[in-house]
Amino acid sequence: DGGITQSPKYLFRKEGQNVTLSCEQNLNHDAMYWYRQDPGQGLRLIYYSQIVNDFQKGDIAEGYSVSREKKESFPLTVTSAQKNPTAFYLCASRIQTPNSPLHFGNGTRLTVT
Amino acid sequence: RKEVEQDPGPFNVPEGATVAFNCTYSNSASQSFFWYRQDCRKEPKLLMSVYSSGNEDGRFTAQLNRASQYISLLIRDSKLSDSATYLCAVNPYYGNNRLAFGKGNQVVVIP
Repeated sequence: DGGITQSPKYLFRKEGQNVTLSCEQNLNHDAMYWYRQDPGQGLRLIYYSQIVNDFQKGDIAEGYSVSREKKESFPLTVTSAQKNPTAFYLCASRIQTPNSPLHFGNGTRLTVT
Repeated sequence: RKEVEQDPGPFNVPEGATVAFNCTYSNSASQSFFWYRQDCRKEPKLLMSVYSSGNEDGRFTAQLNRASQYISLLIRDSKLSDSATYLCAVNPYYGNNRLAFGKGNQVVVIP
């Protein structure tokens, strides 16, 4: 079945360590996105990519980095510079046509202590 | 003003009743409007797109009011399984492919 796979589902790290969250899709979607969700909050856009080897900052890119070397993959690195990294991270993708919706992976819950 | 705003609630709804809530957006040039359903500690799932003429999917009806810059979602004959948070999403910039989300409307259907 086609879909978006995020791994791992739960991730625990010590403060000061970088950590990379995986996102893979087999939907043949051009555009991919990373959102962050905190308790009681909406989704906030971290980075997005509309094409391989290109990506743009979202609203809260500081402390994060991404790469888009393959169409299927859009990993997110949470660096030690991110002040409040503990959150629920959601990867999404969509086709590049007007009015097409986002499809989400099942998320990675990151806890940094 | 935030790009997308929702009253978080909770909206406590008796089973079988109708509930409706709105989502306002700030950019009048916004394109593409969606409602997503999110269960506790799960990813959002697309409930329905919102079209200019309004659209219905079973017990769910979505409407767009461009003059007042809001979209609405109405749930008829509420079921216990409708308990969830409903997120609205708006593409606020023409030609841009990002979606902005509201904080969600939490619906609790009470037996």
